[in-house]
Amino acid sequence: AQSVTQPDIHITVSEGASLELRCNYSYGATPYLFWYVQSPGQGLQLLLKYFSGDTLVQGIKGFEAEFKRSQSSFNLRKPSVHWSDAAEYFCAVGAQGQAGTALIFGKGTTLSVSS
Amino acid sequence: ETGVTQTPRHLVMGMTNKKSLKCEQHLGHNAMYWYKQSAKKPLELMFVYSLEERVENNSVPSRFSPECPNSSHLFLHLHTLQPEDSALYLCASSQGQSNTQYFGPGTRLTVL
Repeated sequence: AQSVTQPDIHITVSEGASLELRCNYSYGATPYLFWYVQSPGQGLQLLLKYFSGDTLVQGIKGFEAEFKRSQSSFNLRKPSVHWSDAAEYFCAVGAQGQAGTALIFGKGTTLSVSS
Repeated sequence: ETGVTQTPRHLVMGMTNKKSLKCEQHLGHNAMYWYKQSAKKPLELMFVYSLEERVENNSVPSRFSPECPNSSHLFLHLHTLQPEDSALYLCASSQGQSNTQYFGPGTRLTVL
């Protein structure tokens, strides 16, 4: 079955500390992988995506993610967290080469930033 | 305006009301989506339209009725909803085979 697992429901990080949010997926075909961020009461904003090529992808707001096929993982990282990064983060997987197909989302990880 | 817009942003309705949610994308995309986001649940896909044809209907109750009159607009018509339908309804769009979906801000629906 196709699925996305985000093992951490809630993470608290001190401002200025590094961050890693975990994502594991189960997908039959070669996947497209995405990270989205959602602030309270808002829609989802795309942080970054992986389609092919370099397994380390850079995104907006200083985020990066690394695709590890052997581990079926796509973890999100940031070297220094800012208070404005507090939000909910969603990992998603989709099918390559198919327009109009749904993304499968994880349940999300809520990030709190302490001062 | 740019991106994906949704109106209204907030909606409170009774169980016997009829209302509609509107989504408009200004990105030139050819696929549009409705998702439901409930507390403590993953995003649930409701409907997908590609080139204005419905390509997926994810076992959604008939009290939700989508409409896609053109590639830029998507509606979700609501009728005799239940309190458990209270949620954030998100619209998204994508183009071609990249399947990168861009989301609107959502409509927060409360059913009394």
